[in-house]
Amino acid sequence: DTGVSQDPRHKITKRGQNVTFRCDPISEHNRLYWYRQTLGQGPEFLTYFQNEAQLEKSRLLSDRFSAERPKGSFSTLEIQRTEQGDSAMYLCASSLATAHNYGYTFGSGTRLTVV
Amino acid sequence: GQQLNQSPQSMFIQEGEDVSMNCTSSSIFNTWLWYKQDPGEGPVLLIALYKAGELTSNGRLTAQFGITRKDSFLNISASIPSDVGIYFCAGSRNSGNTPLVFGKGTRLSVIA
Repeated sequence: DTGVSQDPRHKITKRGQNVTFRCDPISEHNRLYWYRQTLGQGPEFLTYFQNEAQLEKSRLLSDRFSAERPKGSFSTLEIQRTEQGDSAMYLCASSLATAHNYGYTFGSGTRLTVV
Repeated sequence: GQQLNQSPQSMFIQEGEDVSMNCTSSSIFNTWLWYKQDPGEGPVLLIALYKAGELTSNGRLTAQFGITRKDSFLNISASIPSDVGIYFCAGSRNSGNTPLVFGKGTRLSVIA
């Protein structure tokens, strides 16, 4: 296993279009997280899953955003009717559910540019 | 969204110098983590801290969990060019691998 994989690495889309990103976590990890990072900022939490259950969603996750993890393995993040403000790096991370917060393994991210 | 207060925002140092950066919060955290991010990549975990007062090292890096549980510090000794990048602190109020709150980062530049 080579770590957390995200696809695509870059996406340029026109405003109003829908986009979907994919994340493949480390195979034995049961937790999967989505974060968004804009220029000059730290990552901001969007949502996370334990297996196929979505455990928490941030207020940043508007109704145009939807995330799924149907079989508890890979996850998709869809943004409908994209806006210029959606331009950001979308980071996926995975971990085991443990007693300690030992930190996650992040992927390299998908950079979205909305024009 | 809420973020931690991280300082300084950026640093320019000479190779071989020591570096210190810190992170503060208005609320208590149970876990503090420090990450490094290179351009175009995701953050990579450097050090994790779990107890107030804890001091942990990872090679030339040393981090401390503040006694008040509202702050953390990262020191890098004898900096080298590959230390260049953005360093983020992150905290969690809960136990277990739950969502993290990140700082805005400290951008480190090393002059050879």
